[in-house]
Amino acid sequence: GAVVSQHPSWVICKSGTSVKIECRSLDFQATTMFWYRQFPKQSLMLMATSNEGSKATYEQGVEKDKFLINHASLTLSTLTVTSAHPEDSSFYICSARPRDRFTGELFFGEGSRLTVL
Amino acid sequence: AQSVSQHNHHVILSEAASLELGCNYSYGGTVNLFWYVQYPGQHLQLLLKYFSGDPLVKGIKGFEAEFIKSKFSFNLRKPSVQWSDTAEYFCAVKTGGYQKVTFGTGTKLQVIP
Repeated sequence: GAVVSQHPSWVICKSGTSVKIECRSLDFQATTMFWYRQFPKQSLMLMATSNEGSKATYEQGVEKDKFLINHASLTLSTLTVTSAHPEDSSFYICSARPRDRFTGELFFGEGSRLTVL
Repeated sequence: AQSVSQHNHHVILSEAASLELGCNYSYGGTVNLFWYVQYPGQHLQLLLKYFSGDPLVKGIKGFEAEFIKSKFSFNLRKPSVQWSDTAEYFCAVKTGGYQKVTFGTGTKLQVIP
C-alpha cells in the first residue's frame, strides 16, 4: 500500500512553454502533498507544501507564479512549470502523507525529469 | 530553520564490510528522524524512523540507527553490507508539530561484490 505515482516521468519541452506534472496517491488519501526539486549531487529541496482544497505554501525563494501547484482532490496534486526556461531543468519529486497516519512518514513518487531546451 | 548534514557523499565498501553513515541535524526541540533509501531506478522509500522511546531503532534489511540527542546525530549502521545495498541514502528530520521534512544531501553507497 501507500503508492504514489508521478506522470510524466520524463518530459522535454521548448523554452517558453508550460509543463504540467501530476502526482497521484493510488491507494490512499493524502491531505498533504509536498513538491521537491533535486539538483545533481544535492539534496531534495522542498518547493512547496500542498494541502487539499487550499493554496499551497511556498518555500522562500520559490516563485509561486512560476511553479503553480493545485491540490484539487485528496489523491491528486499538480505542479505546472510556467514559461519554462533551461534553468528550470531538474528532477521534480512529489511526496504524500496519508491522512490517517500521523507518523510523519512520507511516500514518494518516482520523480519527473524535466529538460527545457 | 532546521538543517541536516550528511558527511559522506560517496562511500565504497566491499561486501560483508560494516557500514556507518553519519547524519547530524540542527534543531533544539523535539524531532522525528528518518532514513530513506533510493535504490537505482526506484522511488525513495523509508528505511527506518525514530519518534520516541528506545533511541536505537531497527529498520528493514538489517539496518539500524541510533539517536544521540546530545550529539544531534542519527547515524545509520549495518554490520555487514551486501551488493544489493548499493543505493543512495537520505537522512531527514521533521520538527515536532511542523509538517516540513528537511533532507540531507544524501550518501551514495556502492558495495563491491
